[in-house]
Amino acid sequence: EVQLVDSGGGLVQPGGSLRLSCAASGFSFSDSWMSWVRQAPGKGLEWVANIKQDGTKKYYVDSVKGRFTISRDNARNSLFLQMNSLSVEDTAVYYCARSPHTTEYNWFDPWGQGTLVIVSS
Amino acid sequence: DIVMTQSPDSLAVSLGERATINCKSSQSVLYNSNNKNYLTWYQQKPGQPPKLLIYWASTRESGVPDRFSGSGSGTDFTLTISNLQAEDVAVYYCQQHYSLPLTFGGGTKVEIK
Repeated sequence: EVQLVDSGGGLVQPGGSLRLSCAASGFSFSDSWMSWVRQAPGKGLEWVANIKQDGTKKYYVDSVKGRFTISRDNARNSLFLQMNSLSVEDTAVYYCARSPHTTEYNWFDPWGQGTLVIVSS
Repeated sequence: DIVMTQSPDSLAVSLGERATINCKSSQSVLYNSNNKNYLTWYQQKPGQPPKLLIYWASTRESGVPDRFSGSGSGTDFTLTISNLQAEDVAVYYCQQHYSLPLTFGGGTKVEIK
């Protein structure tokens, strides 16, 4: 069974940092583009970042560029999102997702269950 | 950025009837070299992550009931749920993957009338 398990969310103060993790199983992680997508409470979906199979290409939405870093460890079948300089606007459920297509122009399937990040003082 | 606009924001449909959701992109998402529309549909039920329904605008994902269908090309797309069932109550999102940043529509909430 293809499975993605997100973790690492929590409450953090504005300006703080947090590192999210996603454990993948049931598919060839090292052959897959991977993404992070977020959803603010009661709002729609926003793509955050994606990363190529070997980690050599990474793309970000403008609002997180310079603050967030996507990375992966193929030996551990794990995806990460390092989030620095967090602001209240970053409050959301963060989902990791596999991107089945062969390029960065991708869709998302499946999704993890999500991990909630709350940025508040 | 490609802006995805969904309509309506919400709709209430009787059981067994048809629900139609529209999605319009601010520029074409049809890739001429392969004649594919880079448009995907998702279903999100309360408290759950989104689930892939349809990709390439009209290709149903394995296991998705055939009452779900996608159509359209270029900038205008439609998700149709025929014979609406109680388990179809959800928010539906379209997403373009023609260019970065990857963007979603604002969602359409489907309820039972």
